[in-house]
Amino acid sequence: EVVLTQSPATLSLSPGERATLSCRASQSVTRYLAWYQQKPGQAPRLLIYDTSNRATGIPARFSGSGSGTDFTLTISSLEPEDFALYYCQQRSDWPLTFGGGTKVEIK
Amino acid sequence: EVQLLESGGGLVQPGGSLRLSCAASGFTFTIYGMSWVRQAPGKGLEWVSAISGSGTDIHYADSVKGRFTISRDNSKKTLYLQMNSLRVEDTARYYCAKDVGLRDDGYPYNFWDPWGQGTLVTVSS
Repeated sequence: EVVLTQSPATLSLSPGERATLSCRASQSVTRYLAWYQQKPGQAPRLLIYDTSNRATGIPARFSGSGSGTDFTLTISSLEPEDFALYYCQQRSDWPLTFGGGTKVEIK
Repeated sequence: EVQLLESGGGLVQPGGSLRLSCAASGFTFTIYGMSWVRQAPGKGLEWVSAISGSGTDIHYADSVKGRFTISRDNSKKTLYLQMNSLRVEDTARYYCAKDVGLRDDGYPYNFWDPWGQGTLVTVSS
């Protein structure tokens, strides 16, 4: 199965700063990677799919890039509501798999 | 507005069974693939099972294969997960999730938006 490794585990930043989250796959997933945001007590929400396509209603400060095995989610300027957990997920191969998550916390 | 409402969770003993349901509204249910994804307390996300809009294409995680069965009733706009031979490690919140749409080849993306609020399954003696 495709193992997704997210780094760092925790990212401590201040509002207004730029956040860069990484997701590395154990084998190529071409561009078939998504990012989700999850806040405490809530269901995950899709942010980005197929590497760089923003889901409906997602602000432009969220962007995705990468291909093959290395992917990045960038939040250009953190808003207070962006402090949350972020997961990557691949659909290149069965079983579908998630990364372990990156927590973006307020510094 | 798309809504997904899960039900059927609860406390069950190891070896027992549960049937989860997910009632969908606000979209053309027959078009969209659906999945179940679970999250153990304090842990990350784990995909469990996926089913195409027609119900003909089905996949399972190895951890549940042979024990869980996904199905859908398009006339009732409802997704199901029959869970048998439950284990302690199946304890989790189970989310149903709607696929983003259809790819150019007609298959689901297998990315999900939105998700329901989940139903909690606890397997314990």
